[in-house]
Amino acid sequence: NAGVTQTPKFQVLKTGQSMTLQCAQDMNHEYMSWYRQDPGMGLRLIHYSVGAGITDQGEVPNGYNVSRSTTEDFPLRLLSAAPSQTSVYFCASSYRPDVTYYGYTFGSGTRLTVV
Amino acid sequence: KQEVTQIPAALSVPEGENLVLNCSFTDSAIYNLQWFRQDPGKGLTSLLLIQSSQREQTSGRLNASLDKSSGRSTLYIAASQPGDSATYLCAVGGWVETSGSRLTFGEGTQLTVNP
Repeated sequence: NAGVTQTPKFQVLKTGQSMTLQCAQDMNHEYMSWYRQDPGMGLRLIHYSVGAGITDQGEVPNGYNVSRSTTEDFPLRLLSAAPSQTSVYFCASSYRPDVTYYGYTFGSGTRLTVV
Repeated sequence: KQEVTQIPAALSVPEGENLVLNCSFTDSAIYNLQWFRQDPGKGLTSLLLIQSSQREQTSGRLNASLDKSSGRSTLYIAASQPGDSATYLCAVGGWVETSGSRLTFGEGTQLTVNP
């Protein structure tokens, strides 16, 4: 089924460990982005990409890296996990939202706990 | 900075009632507005997308309106059912100078429909 696939669904890390959250979409969307969801703070943009080879920072980028080598994939890397990065992470994709009539499609999320 | 507010934060109604969820935003320079549903521990499911040039969209028992000039949107749910119980998120699509094209989310309305 067409959509946004995130792996893993759950992850527990120790402080200081690194890991990569995977995101893949099969809709040929130009835009891909990562959000984190925290109680009382809503969803906040971490990083986004407007196409292969192009990435930029969102609202809360510190502690995270991204790359976009293909249209389909947009992995999020935690460089040295901290308890403050305990959150639910969502990947989203869309066609160019300013010139098309399609909205964003979200993945099912990755629940990350840093101990 | 775009700010999105959803009122009420929580709502409990008996089955069969018609209800309205409210969303307000501070910057009217938006591309679109998207309503999502989120079940506990799950991802975001898109319900309705309204382009900035549109006034409303309908899907089944759901109707969403947009008044861009006043910075308001409403989600109307007709003949509510227990299966409608979820958190409803309003997200405004626009361009932010520091983070490009992005969605700005409200914190959601948690809806409970009692049998």
